This record gives sequence, structure tokens and C-alpha cells, in this order.
Amino acid sequence: GENVEQHPSTLSVQEGDSAVIKCTYSDSASNYFPWYKQELGKGPQLIIDIRSNVGEKKDQRIAVTLNKTAKHFSLHITETQPEDSAVYFCAASIIFSDNNDMRFGAGTRLTVKP
Amino acid sequence: NAGVMQNPRHLVRRRGQEARLRCSPMKGHSHVYWYRQLPEEGLKFMVYLQKENIIDESGMPKERFSAEFPKEGPSILRIQQVVRGDSAAYFCASSPRPGDTEAFFGQGTRLTVV
Repeated sequence: GENVEQHPSTLSVQEGDSAVIKCTYSDSASNYFPWYKQELGKGPQLIIDIRSNVGEKKDQRIAVTLNKTAKHFSLHITETQPEDSAVYFCAASIIFSDNNDMRFGAGTRLTVKP
Repeated sequence: NAGVMQNPRHLVRRRGQEARLRCSPMKGHSHVYWYRQLPEEGLKFMVYLQKENIIDESGMPKERFSAEFPKEGPSILRIQQVVRGDSAAYFCASSPRPGDTEAFFGQGTRLTVV
């Protein structure tokens, strides 16, 4: 089955700096890669996703890149703000199939220092 | 359209009791996933269900844990004879039929076994 690895487990940056979180996956059939943000005491919330037919996607200060050949994808947050502090999870799944269960990375705790 | 609803939000059980966690998916969603989050850890896949079917239960402990998603009503994750190690946050997510990708998470149920 799919195995997703995520690094780093913790990340501390100064407000205004960029943060990068990286994930690798094992199943070359995976074609959908969402990123979730989990704030304390809440459920994970989708912040951005990418499908395997594109290499990069941006949404304001957040971007995700995908390298299908190397089987890794990354989350980039620019101009970080204290409210970006949270745990971020990457995930991989196979869409357009009968079984689209999703496997998550272990999470990255991002701390943005003011 | 209400989001994914989980109840209860907090559940305290004594060792040996049963815990029942409920998840009502978003309207129109027929796929439900359950995840367990241990303290300071990521989301671990437990089980993937469609209406009246268990599709993938590879992440579910073989004993004491069971899940169902009946034709009518919420999905239920049931833990029999709970032990301290079952203390965790349990999240469910739902998504529409295959072909749609985004999974929405509930707020989670925090189970504490005393």
C-alpha cells in the first residue's frame, strides 16, 4: 500500500520568512496530493491540493510543487505569519478509482515566531 | 450544508467499557474514513467505508475495534473493552463518490480512558 513520509517533524521560522515542508510517497499510481492544516483542538482543514497532471499550484502565500518522477511533493508558505503556526499534514491518494482512501504523512509542527 | 459532524467531542470511559464514536458525513457524501491521532503523532488511517460496505480496514486493530456505515444514519466506530492505549483523538472524514477528491474532516472525538 501507499507509504507517505514527511519532513521535517518540527519547523520554526521567523515571521516573514518562508517555510518548506517535504513529502515523499511510494505508490506511483497516486495522483492526488492534498495538504491539511490542523490547529489546536480542531480537525484538519484542506488548504491546497494538487493533481498529478500539474507540477505546481499556487494560492496566495501557499504553493505546492510535485515531482512525479522522484515521487515527492512540497508545501511552500511565503511571508509566514504567526497564524500560520499549526500542524501540517501531507497526504496521497488515487482518485478516479473505486478505492480512494488517503494516507497521511506524520505531520510537521510549524511555529512562526513574531 | 453542514460539515462533517462527529459526536461526542469528548468521551471518557473506564477501562473495559465500550466506546461508540459517531460520524455524520456531509450531505451527499458516501465515503467515510476514520483516522486515529495519538498525542504528538500524525493521522493514522484506520478504516474506509462506503454505505453498508467496508472497503479497506487494513489500519484497524483486529480485536476490539469495529466500524460500520449503515444505509441510514451515521458511521459508527466502536471500541470494545477499552484500554488506556486507546486514548486518542479520532477523526472521521467524508468525500463524495469516486471522481471527487476533497475529503472534509470533522472536529474529532477525544477519547480518554481512565
